[in-house]
Amino acid sequence: AQTVTQSQPEMSVQEAETVTLSCTYDTSENNYYLFWYKQPPSRQMILVIRQEAYKQQNATENRFSVNFQKAAKSFSLKISDSQLGDTAMYFCAFMKQSNDYKLSFGAGTTVTVRA
Amino acid sequence: EAQVTQNPRYLITVTGKKLTVTCSQNMNHEYMSWYRQDPGLGLRQIYYSMNVEVTDKGDVPEGYKVSRKEKRNFPLILESPSPNQTSLYFCASSRSGANNQPQHFGDGTRLSIL
Repeated sequence: AQTVTQSQPEMSVQEAETVTLSCTYDTSENNYYLFWYKQPPSRQMILVIRQEAYKQQNATENRFSVNFQKAAKSFSLKISDSQLGDTAMYFCAFMKQSNDYKLSFGAGTTVTVRA
Repeated sequence: EAQVTQNPRYLITVTGKKLTVTCSQNMNHEYMSWYRQDPGLGLRQIYYSMNVEVTDKGDVPEGYKVSRKEKRNFPLILESPSPNQTSLYFCASSRSGANNQPQHFGDGTRLSIL
């Protein structure tokens, strides 16, 4: 079974500043996918960014970028120019390349953006 | 609009009273799944379905049943709910064929079992 660890239960950041969320995972797989999901107070699960393990280039989506270190099994999320709407819980998730499409989630990090 | 619809969004009930949480998607997705979310544990998969009449257990299937009689619907059934099933539940769907396809989540169902 895959284990995903998010070691920061809560983080706070000033508006317009940058915050980095950590995520590590444990797997013996070589091919897999990694995701960051955002869950605002409305409870929706919103895909923020995804990374294929075979790609060395780090994924970027507007103000969101990742630092993927395959050897270290690390997948951190950087939120630049934080906005009040970024306040949410963020989940890191792992999916191995298989036929079951199961997402294994970390415990989540609550991010609060201060005005 | 592409969406996954769960009902109800909130339910308070008592131990032992059978309940069903419905899930319906309008994207013709083959794959559907149920997760439960608990504080400090993230989301954990309960059951999943690769297509009509094909279902399998996830990580925490005890106390739950599912069915997939139609492609668009994937109900979650609690035959005899217990307080430890109090949780936030999510249904998700995606196309099959490639693991990096985004999973679309419903808006969640908050269940409280007294």
